[in-house]
Amino acid sequence: AQKITQTQPGMFVQEKEAVTLDCTYDTSDQSYGLFWYKQPSSGEMIFLIYQGSYDEQNATEGRYSLNFQKARKSANLVISASQLGDSAMYFCAMREEEETTDSWGKLQFGAGTQVVVTP
Amino acid sequence: EPEVTQTPSHQVTQMGQEVILRCVPISNHLYFYWYRQILGQKVEFLVSFYNNEISEKSEIFDDQFSVERPDGSNFTLKIRSTKLEDSAMYFCATGRGRMNTEAFFGQGTRLTVV
Repeated sequence: AQKITQTQPGMFVQEKEAVTLDCTYDTSDQSYGLFWYKQPSSGEMIFLIYQGSYDEQNATEGRYSLNFQKARKSANLVISASQLGDSAMYFCAMREEEETTDSWGKLQFGAGTQVVVTP
Repeated sequence: EPEVTQTPSHQVTQMGQEVILRCVPISNHLYFYWYRQILGQKVEFLVSFYNNEISEKSEIFDDQFSVERPDGSNFTLKIRSTKLEDSAMYFCATGRGRMNTEAFFGQGTRLTVV
């Protein structure tokens, strides 16, 4: 079963506009972490932001913020004031953090969303 | 800013040949991971490594794969007899602890098996 679902294969956004990338997850763990990564065309994976399941406030890092809705199991990434350099693939990932879970400690990724920022 | 370094950035190899992919983790990191991304697909977990032994491996990580940390700094992934389907981007990731709030990836090694 899919642990991480990113339903938007691709999005266009105009420069200076905000864009929201959807991510829903599936886990029965109470303790888990959610990550967003950016992968430009050069291929590297750039860590953007982390949200812990027990964090009461939504995570923010500069122009990136994570809209964490625990009851809905969603962790959408919001990029404000988009720039041309934001054009990339964006991956949502989850790490299950309860030791009783076989998969604890490793990241499980969604299929990604390709973002194209236009002038 | 400290970073995870991978070499080579790109390797082309003939089917059946052995390849070794190298990773230099951030100096105080203790947990090491390899992930794979076949072109156009999602990133997949291969293996995690801690205290000089494998902590967990996926079903992809079969007998053709091995990992080691031979000299206390480099962390290597070896594929003994490459297949065409091993062509992918391979990422090393490291962390201070298993539950860090950050998980840093290297820039990746693009492996092409011909």
